[in-house]
Amino acid sequence: DIQMTQSPSSLSASVGDRVTISCRASQGVSTHLAWFQQRPGTAPKSLIYSASTLQSGVPSRFSGSGSGTEFTLTIGNLQPEDFASYYCQQYMSYPPTFGGGTEVDIK
Amino acid sequence: QVQLVQSGGGLVKPEGSLRLSCAASGFTFSDYWMSWFRQAPGRGLEWVSYIDPSSSTLYYGDSVKGRFTISRDNARNSLFLLMNSLRLDDTAVYYCARVGSLVGSGTPDYWGQGTLVTVSS
Repeated sequence: DIQMTQSPSSLSASVGDRVTISCRASQGVSTHLAWFQQRPGTAPKSLIYSASTLQSGVPSRFSGSGSGTEFTLTIGNLQPEDFASYYCQQYMSYPPTFGGGTEVDIK
Repeated sequence: QVQLVQSGGGLVKPEGSLRLSCAASGFTFSDYWMSWFRQAPGRGLEWVSYIDPSSSTLYYGDSVKGRFTISRDNARNSLFLLMNSLRLDDTAVYYCARVGSLVGSGTPDYWGQGTLVTVSS
């Protein structure tokens, strides 16, 4: 199985900050990489697929980049509703696997 | 708009069975692969199973293979997960999801609200 490693596991930030979350794959996944947001007690929400394509309705302050084994999710101008956990997922091969998550909380 | 509304779940004893349901609306259900994921308390996300539009191709994660069965009823726009021989470590919130991208092993684009399955004696 492809292992996905996210860093950091948690971070504290303020409204208006720019936040960067990293995701590393144990082997190359091309751009078959997705990002999800999960607020406490709610279902995940799909943010990005193909490493950098925003799902419909996702604000443009979210962006994704990378290919191969190194990926980044950036949230520019952090908003109150962005305080949540974020997960990356590779879908290059079976089984699809997720990173351990990054919790973004209020500083 | 796309909606996935889940039902089922609850408390079950080890070795028991449970069936989860997911009612889809807002899209042509019979055109899409569908999936189940789960999240154990305080843990990350885990893929459980996929099913293709015609129910001819099914995939399962190793941890549930041979115990769980995914199915669908396109006439009723519904997805199901039959869980047998439940174990303590199957305790989790289970999510149904539509598979948005079929590239590789697929990734979800819309998720149900989740339903808690608790396996305990």
